[in-house]
Amino acid sequence: DAGITQSPRHKVTETGTPVTLRCHQTENHRYMYWYRQDPGHGLRLIHYSYGVKDTDKGEVSDGYSVSRSKTEDFLLTLESATSSQTSVYFCAISGQEVYGYTFGSGTRLTVV
Amino acid sequence: GESVGLHLPTLSVQEGDNSIINCAYSNSASDYFIWYKQESGKGPQFIIDIRSNMDKRQGQRVTVLLNKTVKHLSLQIAATQPGDSAVYFCAENRYNAGNMLTFGGGTRLMVKP
Repeated sequence: DAGITQSPRHKVTETGTPVTLRCHQTENHRYMYWYRQDPGHGLRLIHYSYGVKDTDKGEVSDGYSVSRSKTEDFLLTLESATSSQTSVYFCAISGQEVYGYTFGSGTRLTVV
Repeated sequence: GESVGLHLPTLSVQEGDNSIINCAYSNSASDYFIWYKQESGKGPQFIIDIRSNMDKRQGQRVTVLLNKTVKHLSLQIAATQPGDSAVYFCAENRYNAGNMLTFGGGTRLMVKP
């Protein structure tokens, strides 16, 4: 998607290992979000950021942490990956002047 | 609790027919609504939006209708094509809630050739 990229696109990791997913934007948008998407649950908010170094928890934040040291990058870290964290992770961005989100292409994470 | 939901989890239509996807919301304070399309293996993509001071908005082959009286939102797709096959999400936003979107569960649209 134009202006927002996620990396990696796919990752397989072992239980207990730390994992970091990256979201990079070139739109200079204030808001950034991390969602996970699972069958039967739709999109659920993990963490979000409303500015550099300003972050807050979403509805499913346990086991996850985030950091935003500059406007363009929002990192999601799984401290110690578990099988329940196998999911597709989406990053989204939003400007202060708009209400809608632009989503990235997603990262498919498998924890074995 | 406050939520946004969908009436039909799966909708199957014939190519060329019109499609209608419905959504109910419960928070009368919501002031902005969006429809997203998600194709397999991709992120949700913006289709069309509508503000609470409107009851209808049209785009290219798509129309969104908002009925605030019954808290109902619908997406109409004219002359449905195979490329319209996807999962469709509605979402609501409340500006005074910190630009936080609340998403519905999604409806899968299947277009039969």
